Amino acid sequence: EPEVTQTPSHQVTQMGQEVILRCVPISNHLYFYWYRQILGQKVEFLVSFYNNEISEKSEIFDDQFSVERPDGSNFTLKIRSTKLEDSAMYFCASSQPRGGADYGYTFGSGTRLTVV
Amino acid sequence: DAKTTQPTSMDCAEGRAANLPCNHSTISGNEYVYWYRQIHSQGPQYIIHGLKNNETNEMASLIITEDRKSSTLILPHATLRDTAVYYCIVRSNFNKFYFGSGTKLNVKP
Repeated sequence: EPEVTQTPSHQVTQMGQEVILRCVPISNHLYFYWYRQILGQKVEFLVSFYNNEISEKSEIFDDQFSVERPDGSNFTLKIRSTKLEDSAMYFCASSQPRGGADYGYTFGSGTRLTVV
Repeated sequence: DAKTTQPTSMDCAEGRAANLPCNHSTISGNEYVYWYRQIHSQGPQYIIHGLKNNETNEMASLIITEDRKSSTLILPHATLRDTAVYYCIVRSNFNKFYFGSGTKLNVKP
């Protein structure tokens, strides 16, 4: 079964450093997403991306965050200057509408970001 | 998207059916009912979704009431590996998924 692949599985970074979280969505999917989950809290939407641009973003997704699809396979989330409160699991997801309907997202297994 | 209400937690004996309820009384005509689950801290996993009719796949069955104001996810023979948080989400096509607190299902030996 096709998978969404995320790397690394765990990233430790110092406060103020830049991090890039990487995702390889399912190959024929066209819609891409980032979510995050702070330990013990809900899964929160960050951003959606389609046709090489952001289609929607949440309040969490401020100027410190950016997304990019640098080639035909990767989808990245960059945090410019990490803060302690950015520590969380970050999940990438992708979807592909079929027949005019949208059948939901496939999520990756996540990257645990720890900011120290 | 319409809001959903789920019990905070439920227990189920291994091998028995797990029936997870969800209320979505404000659902509108173009909104689907989706179920996802999250095992420990893994990424949410799609289980099943439906609009009006009951649905079944290899993982579960989804029973939607005729007025569509509530639904039940049925895991026919729960195993220990089904212990997870189960999310009922109501969503129209192409809208993002909002994850609530879900139901923590504990499958016990």
